[in-house]
Amino acid sequence: QSALTQPRSVSGSPGQSVTISCTGTGSDVGGYEYVSWYQQHPGKAPKLMIYEDTKRPSGVPDRFSGSKSGNTASLTISGLQAEDEADYYCCSYAGAYTYVFGTGTKVTVL
Amino acid sequence: QVALTESGPALVKPTQTLTLTCTFSGFSLTTTGMRVNWIRQPPGRALEWLARIDWDDDEFYSRSLKTRLSISKDTSKNQVVLTMTNMAPVDTGTYFCARLTGDGAFDVWGQGTLVTVSS
Repeated sequence: QSALTQPRSVSGSPGQSVTISCTGTGSDVGGYEYVSWYQQHPGKAPKLMIYEDTKRPSGVPDRFSGSKSGNTASLTISGLQAEDEADYYCCSYAGAYTYVFGTGTKVTVL
Repeated sequence: QVALTESGPALVKPTQTLTLTCTFSGFSLTTTGMRVNWIRQPPGRALEWLARIDWDDDEFYSRSLKTRLSISKDTSKNQVVLTMTNMAPVDTGTYFCARLTGDGAFDVWGQGTLVTVSS
């Protein structure tokens, strides 16, 4: 069960949009509608940002959105803000009641 | 308000067994649909899912670590306990417990507890 593949880093200026990809297989990302995304600031616990591929929990700004096509899920941050600088992880249900996380992406606000 | 807190030793020696406790509030593990998980993160590295226990006593483990892991619950104390045997330096990291929703997402996390494996 290999980790899902994410780019190591993405960056953008305030107000711009960035997209983070998360590539898996048909046994995880492509096989279920259970991709979630987490934001993690240094030294802090992860925070749920997106669940069930595209849904946003209450309290998460609507500039965060999720999508999926085949075996690749994506998180887009529109109108990038300074406080969005953090590490982001995707996670997918991988069958047999197991879960797999992505390799993580560092978002830098220039 | 839902909250989870991890506790356990900060330092363990190689080959020892690690025992971590997750104490939670704001929900009950006797309620249908409640699930608590353990997830770890080596320093500077990615998250890794370890284990899950459900309201109905079902237990599930990471395929790569299942021979070393055991998860249990004490509903009277609102606690979930994880044991990991034969600890090695590569097991050093922050260990989190988190609640899993029916939507397959970890919606509330503890602050994590750092475990270092060293002689």
